[in-house]
Amino acid sequence: EVQLVDSGGGVAQPGGSLRLSCAASGFTFDDYSMHWVRQVPGKGLEWVSLISWDGGTTYYADSVKGRFTSSRDNSKNSLYLQMNSLRTEDTALYYCARSGNGFPLFDYWGQGTLVTVSS
Amino acid sequence: AIQMTQSPSSLSASVGDRVTITCRASQDIRNDLGWYQQKPGKAPNLLIYAASSLQSGVPSRFSGSGSGTHFTLTITSLQPEDFATYYCLQDYNYPWTFGQGTKVEVK
Repeated sequence: EVQLVDSGGGVAQPGGSLRLSCAASGFTFDDYSMHWVRQVPGKGLEWVSLISWDGGTTYYADSVKGRFTSSRDNSKNSLYLQMNSLRTEDTALYYCARSGNGFPLFDYWGQGTLVTVSS
Repeated sequence: AIQMTQSPSSLSASVGDRVTITCRASQDIRNDLGWYQQKPGKAPNLLIYAASSLQSGVPSRFSGSGSGTHFTLTITSLQPEDFATYYCLQDYNYPWTFGQGTKVEVK
């Protein structure tokens, strides 16, 4: 069974940093690109980043480019999102998600981890 | 970035109704579009990919159509478990962008 478990959320001050993690199981992790998607509670979805299967290619939303960095450790079946220079508008539930088997859209999601940026 | 305009933002419907949700892209995205369903407190669930391909395990009452800039999600006979929020997502180029969402409520 495919499982993605998000962790690392919490409260940070504006200008601070947090590192999110996503632990994957139930599939061959290094066969798949992985994504981060966020959602302000009660609002819509925003795609945040993609990292390719080998970590060699990354893309970011304009709203986080230069501040967030996605990485992965295939030996640990883990995905990470380093979030620096946090802003109040980064407050959201952050999901990791897996690209589909044979198509790019995400087919499996984590449960999400809540990031709150507040002074 | 490609803008995805979804309509309506909400609708009221009854069990058994036919429901149609529309998504328009600000440029040609071929058929690189998917539809997700999200229920409160849950992660979204993929319904449709490549505009019209039904994801495994999704009931056949859900269907998608369109290409280029105009796409639709249709639920042919609304069931009680279908009351939720629906989002379109373009995966034509980065940054991927979602529509604003359509909340399907009980009439």
